[in-house]
Amino acid sequence: GQNIDQPTEMTATEGAIVQINCTYQTSGFNGLFWYQQHAGEAPTFLSYNVLDGLEEKGRFSSFLSRSKGYSYLLLKELQMKDSASYLCAVFDSNYQLIWGAGTKLIIKP
Amino acid sequence: ETGVTQTPRHLVMGMTNKKSLKCEQHLGHNAMYWYKQSAKKPLELMFVYNFKEQTENNSVPSRFSPECPNSSHLFLHLHTLQPEDSALYLCASSQEVSGGLSNQPQHFGDGTRLSIL
Repeated sequence: GQNIDQPTEMTATEGAIVQINCTYQTSGFNGLFWYQQHAGEAPTFLSYNVLDGLEEKGRFSSFLSRSKGYSYLLLKELQMKDSASYLCAVFDSNYQLIWGAGTKLIIKP
Repeated sequence: ETGVTQTPRHLVMGMTNKKSLKCEQHLGHNAMYWYKQSAKKPLELMFVYNFKEQTENNSVPSRFSPECPNSSHLFLHLHTLQPEDSALYLCASSQEVSGGLSNQPQHFGDGTRLSIL
């Protein structure tokens, strides 16, 4: 079966750095997405990786290793507004989007 | 503002009621999706409409009935729901190519929080 694993919950301190990991086992691979979802709001697109390596967008970076079936989302200079759930999703060989259950990130002052 | 608007935001209904969820996208996309989101579970894809044709129905019970009158509007008609249907229902849209093979991100609405009594 197809599966995406990410931690259920993480806690970090304001101003610090946090890394949210995602591992996947899918039938084929056509790219990996990270979304942010604040409580009661829409998931919003953060990043898309299809090639190995690091993509940087301001305070957020996303890394992909296709050989390891692994990605991470790195958040720097954490702010209280970064408290949210972070969803990892993978396009399989048929461009079906397979979703992880999300990681709830709690930021403490 | 995500460009995808869902109404109502909250809905409480009895198991014998009939109601409809509405989604409208203002992004010029040609594909629309219904998802079910339950606590601590992955998003469950329910239905996909690509160029107004239904291309996906993931074994969803018949008490959920989608309707896509045009590429900007999507409805989910509900009848005789069960308590386990209580969840957040999310609508999304994306720009797809003919044939459905595209890596474009999906854009989501804020969802309808549905509670079945």
